[in-house]
Amino acid sequence: QKEVEQNSGPLSVPEGAIASLNCTYSDRGSQSFFWYRQYSGKSPELIMSIYSNGDKEDGRFTAQLNKASQYVSLLIRDSQPSDSATYLCADHNAGNMLTFGGGTRLMVKP
Amino acid sequence: SQTIHQWPATLVQPVGSPLSLECTVEGTSNPNLYWYRQAAGRGLQLLFYSVGIGQISSEVPQNLSASRPQDRQFILSSKKLLLSDSGFYLCAWSFRPDEQYFGPGTRLTVT
Repeated sequence: QKEVEQNSGPLSVPEGAIASLNCTYSDRGSQSFFWYRQYSGKSPELIMSIYSNGDKEDGRFTAQLNKASQYVSLLIRDSQPSDSATYLCADHNAGNMLTFGGGTRLMVKP
Repeated sequence: SQTIHQWPATLVQPVGSPLSLECTVEGTSNPNLYWYRQAAGRGLQLLFYSVGIGQISSEVPQNLSASRPQDRQFILSSKKLLLSDSGFYLCAWSFRPDEQYFGPGTRLTVT
């Protein structure tokens, strides 16, 4: 069974710090990976996608992919209280569907 | 730009009652459409997906069904709700199977 694993948290970081969110996946055939942000009571919002090994930067967000280790991460620089949310990792695997992790709850304290 | 709508936003229904949730997408043609459920404190569970009118694939056997009567309309139904059907129902669309965009969701409480 294809799985995406995330630490449920909460991950607590002070305002201005770097938040590091991690995700592992089981399907070696997965080719693309996604990070969604979900505020409490709201629907998930796609914030990052990554397809190749290495880093991809978009503003304060950096996604990192290591296919050999089956590991994806999301770094949030200069964390703000407005970044407090649950972050969902997903992979697009050989079944041609997205598999989501359970999410990591991030709390950024002023 | 594309917009996805869901209604109703919230719903409280008794056990055994029927259900109909609607999802529509604007600004695109022939999208892939998906229904997910998110139970409280849980991850996203794919229920159904559709690649075209009348084409529905079910991922999880249950008392729910889906239909796609028009290109940009996706409906989730049940004849008799169970307590376990409570949750946050999310519709999503995509052009590619991987990059999916979610609607605002419907929060269903079965009492």
